[in-house]
Amino acid sequence: DTEVTQTPKHLVMGMTNKKSLKCEQHMGHRAMYWYKQKAKKPPELMFVYSYEKLSINESVPSRFSPECPNSSLLNLHLHALQPEDSALYLCASSLGTGGFYGYTFGSGTRLTVV
Amino acid sequence: EDQVTQSPEALRLQEGESSSLNCSYTVSGLRGLFWYRQDPGKGPEFLFTLYSAGEEKEKERLKATLTKKESFLHITAPKPEDSATYLCAVQGEKTSYDKVIFGPGTSLSVIP
Repeated sequence: DTEVTQTPKHLVMGMTNKKSLKCEQHMGHRAMYWYKQKAKKPPELMFVYSYEKLSINESVPSRFSPECPNSSLLNLHLHALQPEDSALYLCASSLGTGGFYGYTFGSGTRLTVV
Repeated sequence: EDQVTQSPEALRLQEGESSSLNCSYTVSGLRGLFWYRQDPGKGPEFLFTLYSAGEEKEKERLKATLTKKESFLHITAPKPEDSATYLCAVQGEKTSYDKVIFGPGTSLSVIP
């Protein structure tokens, strides 16, 4: 298995809703990432988990809450989002830290906040 | 602060018309430079890692080169399926090992 699987592919949520994004990989990668990407912009790093521990939080608002239950799973819990949070949310994994082996990205969750 | 710029912003080529994309970077000691390809609505796909000036990597019609200030992605005899956004990313020595900085990308369209 050489994929990163993200669910759901599309999500529409209201500003008072609570939802979660899920990411799964079975490649034995020990670093996992959440990125946010707006249209025609590059991916922006949000969170990094290295060996199941949060190693980077890029000053992301607390309405985004990451969780890494085990080495294969990564969740992003969403609560009280704003319309400007609408974007493509990408999960990625890598064999080790540093990105030197390349990140494997999922296809993303297209999030719309209404 | 590490910075990455890419040019051109968009490029249209006829099928078979070779060209190059540019990635210019400013980092305090380069650990690695990375090229990715992104298709619309998909996540980026890893292409290459380059570590030091003079290094070259090839994959099918793509060849990436690296100097001390920039990298080029050369596309030889492109086909329509090469149409995508090409992203360059860097990691500098003063940046966490877990973080890379992406450039804005070059949108490539190859016309049959």
